Amino acid sequence: DTGVSQDPRHKITKRGQNVTFRCDPISEHNRLYWYRQTLGQGPEFLTYFQNEAQLEKSRLLSDRFSAERPKGSFSTLEIQRTEQGDSAMYLCASSLGLAGFLYNEQFFGPGTRLTVL
Amino acid sequence: QQPVQSPQAVILREGEDAVINCSSSKALYSVHWYRQKHGEAPVFLMILLKGGEQKGHEKISASFNEKKQQSSLYLTASQLSYSGTYFCGTGTTSGTYKYIFGTGTRLKVLA
Repeated sequence: DTGVSQDPRHKITKRGQNVTFRCDPISEHNRLYWYRQTLGQGPEFLTYFQNEAQLEKSRLLSDRFSAERPKGSFSTLEIQRTEQGDSAMYLCASSLGLAGFLYNEQFFGPGTRLTVL
Repeated sequence: QQPVQSPQAVILREGEDAVINCSSSKALYSVHWYRQKHGEAPVFLMILLKGGEQKGHEKISASFNEKKQQSSLYLTASQLSYSGTYFCGTGTTSGTYKYIFGTGTRLKVLA
């Protein structure tokens, strides 16, 4: 399977703990997005990487959230001191960015479902 | 600033048609349409760039009116497999990479 993969698929943690999620995009894709989705809502933009550079981060994202994409390949999303309001599905998507095109078709991974107790 | 979709939900019989609308308060550079089935990730359907073009994908087509900042998704002769939640995704002309999804439309096709 050469699609976007995410790990773990499910994570249950206690409030106050730190969690880290991993996303492996489609290998040739240079653009990577993280989204958060709660039940019945559309995906909410969290952050965007072009290669290894984090070019945009949502203002909704508190300082407890951090993301990296070392070497422009896989990416990690860390949430520190988790809160019950962080419970959601965390989706990663990748795309092949073409010069002159800000937005391209995004391929989504299966997501990581986080439950904070 | 989240694009508003209408209707919020629709129930169809197999073979019936449906139209889903997406309206933004911001000037749009492009509109994407995705379908998400319960418990699964969104799946890309099509992309429309500013210019008012209309695209088709089998029995699903879409239009984009950049002046009205609106897009519509047309589902013809619906099939059971069309059931799911449809989201429009929008990129604005402000130069941001931020990508915003609409409020979603739940579609259910009955046999």
